[in-house]
Order: sequence, then structure tokens, then C-alpha cells
Amino acid sequence: DGGITQSPKYLFRKEGQNVTLSCEQNLNHDAMYWYRQDPGQGLRLIYYSQIVNDFQKGDIAEGYSVSREKKESFPLTVTSAQKNPTAFYLCASRGIYNSPLHFGNGTRLTVT
Amino acid sequence: DQQVKQNSPSLSVQEGRISILNCDYTNSMFDYFLWYKKYPAEGPTFLISISSIKDKNEDGRFTVFLNKSAKHLSLHIVPSQPGDSAVYSCAASAGGTSYGKLTFGQGTILTVHP
Repeated sequence: DGGITQSPKYLFRKEGQNVTLSCEQNLNHDAMYWYRQDPGQGLRLIYYSQIVNDFQKGDIAEGYSVSREKKESFPLTVTSAQKNPTAFYLCASRGIYNSPLHFGNGTRLTVT
Repeated sequence: DQQVKQNSPSLSVQEGRISILNCDYTNSMFDYFLWYKKYPAEGPTFLISISSIKDKNEDGRFTVFLNKSAKHLSLHIVPSQPGDSAVYSCAASAGGTSYGKLTFGQGTILTVHP
């Protein structure tokens, strides 16, 4: 059963610690994306990757880093430089040109 | 600067009636529009899309209308069912390789009462 797996579903960290969110897909999609959702706002793009070993900043990349060493995996690291890291993080992937994004079920990160 | 706006945070309709969800955009470069549906604690699920070369796209009970001159799109659900109760978000993208770079609205909570 193909899909996008994000783990863990809930994550708690202390302020000042880096944390890495996992995203794995078995849809054989080339492109992968990270979005962030905050209450009352639309999803905002953090980073995206259209091919292995290449990625670009989205609209709110500051304080985040990513890697794309394998087609199936696109982990997101929330660094201590991110001023407001508490949010709901969604990973997505896309197959052929002009196909819609498929989303994972998200990771809710709480930093205290 | 919010380029995609859904001005109604919530909408309540009776089962069997029509649900109309609205979305406005400001960026004239947007040429591909999508609607996503989201249940609590889940990721968004793609519902329906429309290219700017069309003004209507239909899929079963769901129809999306695009008015380019008004920079407005709407999603019609007919007839509405209780299982349609969810958060509906519109999204837009510009052309070329940017198709995956979606700009989302804030979402509208639809509640369909039996």
C-alpha cells in the first residue's frame, strides 16, 4: 500500500535542541516537500526537492535544514535557530508533472 | 501578504443541501488551482483541481468553478453529506516546475448536519 510515512506523530523537545522529522515515501515520486501549518494560517512551504541530492528553499526556510540522499527519504531538521518551532509539519510528494501533492499525516512538534 | 484567502472560517449546511466554499487569490501568475480536504490528525487529501484554461471542472458531487477576471474560485458540493464534514483548503500554483509549490488558503471548516 503506497503512501507517505511521517514519524513520529507527536514530538516534544526542549528549547535549544535540534530535532529531525522523518518522511519516507514508497510512491516512487521524484519531488518531495515540507510544509508547516500554524493555527489560522494556510500551509507554508519550508523546503522542497525535485530530485535526489538537490533541494531548494521555500518561503520560510530559515531555521530549518533538509537532505535528500535517497529518493524515498526527505528528513527535515528543525534547528535551534528556528524562533517558533512549535507547529504541525506536513511532508508531501508529487509524481508526474502537474499531478497533485500527496501528503503524509504530519508530525506535531512541541518545543518548550 | 496572503496571496490565497478563504474569508469564511466555517460553514454549516444541512445534509442534502449544497455547500459552497469560496477562495480568492491575488497573484495573477497562478494558473493551477486545487482543493484539499483534511480531517483532524490527518494530512490533507487531494479533492479536485482546475487549470486556468478552464472555468469549470466536475467530479461526482464536487464541482470547482474558476472566475479568472475576479480571481475567485469556488467548490460546490451537491448533495452534501455528513461525511463531508472536514476542513477544506484551496491552493494555487504558478506554471512550469513550480506546480508543486503550492500557496494555501487558511481553510474553511465545513460541518454538514444530518
